[in-house]
Amino acid sequence: EPEVTQTPSHQVTQMGQEVILRCVPISNHLYFYWYRQILGQKVEFLVSFYNNEISEKSEIFDDQFSVERPDGSNFTLKIRSTKLEDSAMYFCASSQTRRSSYNEQFFGPGTRLTVL
Amino acid sequence: KQEVTQIPAALSVPEGENLVLNCSFTDSAIYNLQWFRQDPGKGLTSLLLIQSSQREQTSGRLNASLDKSSGRSTLYIAASQPGDSATYLCAVRAMDSNYQLIWGAGTKLIIKP
Repeated sequence: EPEVTQTPSHQVTQMGQEVILRCVPISNHLYFYWYRQILGQKVEFLVSFYNNEISEKSEIFDDQFSVERPDGSNFTLKIRSTKLEDSAMYFCASSQTRRSSYNEQFFGPGTRLTVL
Repeated sequence: KQEVTQIPAALSVPEGENLVLNCSFTDSAIYNLQWFRQDPGKGLTSLLLIQSSQREQTSGRLNASLDKSSGRSTLYIAASQPGDSATYLCAVRAMDSNYQLIWGAGTKLIIKP
């Protein structure tokens, strides 16, 4: 069964460093998302991406964050200068259809980002 | 602003029992609601999606219902097994957004053998 994959599974970085989290969405999906979950807190939406542009972003997704689909398979989240509070599990998701009521999102296993 | 609440935060039951997990949301203007399972330190597995026009969806021992007007959904698990132990999350896709899901905090379920 097709699945969303993410690399790395765990990333440790120093505060102020840039990190790139990578995702390979399900191959025939058109919509891509990043969410994050700080330990012990709710999952939070960061950004959605369609047709090579951001379609929606949350207040969390400030200028330190960017997303890119550099080729036909990868979808990346870049954090330019990491802060301690960026430590979280980052989930990538994808969905296939444009139908409003049926837009099931499928999630990857997550990347645990630890900022020291 | 849409908010999603799940009660209880934790639940422990003996193996074999049928159980119900609850999810409520403040704004009935939703496109759909998804139930997910999360194992410790792991990803989010989609269990069921209920469209706004539907009342329920079933998958194996799982049955999810939706009462949009009252802002409630339930996830019914029949004949619980220790392997069902996980955190169960519900998330709604609100009509005032494009595609983002808004999440509850989850119910941590422990099934005792």
